[in-house]
Amino acid sequence: KQEVTQIPAALSVPEGENLVLNCSFTDSAIYNLQWFRQDPGKGLTSLLLIQSSQREQTSGRLNASLDKSSGRSTLYIAASQPGDSATYLCAADRGSTLGRLYFGRGTQLTVWP
Amino acid sequence: GAVVSQHPSRVICKSGTSVKIECRSLDFQATTMFWYRQFPKQSLMLMATSNEGSKATYEQGVEKDKFLINHASLTLSTLTVTSAHPEDSSFYICSARGAPGQGKRGELFFGEGSRLTVL
Repeated sequence: KQEVTQIPAALSVPEGENLVLNCSFTDSAIYNLQWFRQDPGKGLTSLLLIQSSQREQTSGRLNASLDKSSGRSTLYIAASQPGDSATYLCAADRGSTLGRLYFGRGTQLTVWP
Repeated sequence: GAVVSQHPSRVICKSGTSVKIECRSLDFQATTMFWYRQFPKQSLMLMATSNEGSKATYEQGVEKDKFLINHASLTLSTLTVTSAHPEDSSFYICSARGAPGQGKRGELFFGEGSRLTVL
């Protein structure tokens, strides 16, 4: 079984700060690691997907890195904005169960003006 | 990215009734769909995995007679909560994985979720 842990559980910062959200997983035999955003009462929006052969992915102000050997991934958010306020979920699969994701509990981010 | 649609987004029902939630992949064929349940301030818990044309595989502790899953076509999976009770109230989210060649390998696309409230 894959266990995913996210730190911190909650984060509150002023607008403009650069942020790092952490994710760790126990089984390094993964195919993919995905970062999602979830707004209150809504479904999940995929932010970044890192395949096992990759070390990082970037999209706009977001950058996600993957270190399989240490079982860690980080999501870096540059120049945070109030619209970034949401819960960020990290999910990893296991190589033997392609597509089935194991989720962390998320980091609840609040960016205040 | 690919689009997955869930319906209804919200449903309120009386205890003892059955509720059906639909999950559709709108612009791709979903060979595998996953159903998750999410409690307030908790992460997503996988309930079952369904492959088109075969029986769903349920996670330990999930009652298959309670949560009926049907994946009759490559674009539609349904979750029926039978004889719903207040403890079944939750947020249910489906996700779909496309056939090889659709999206990145193993990438999942999620629906918007369905909020079930059982009175």
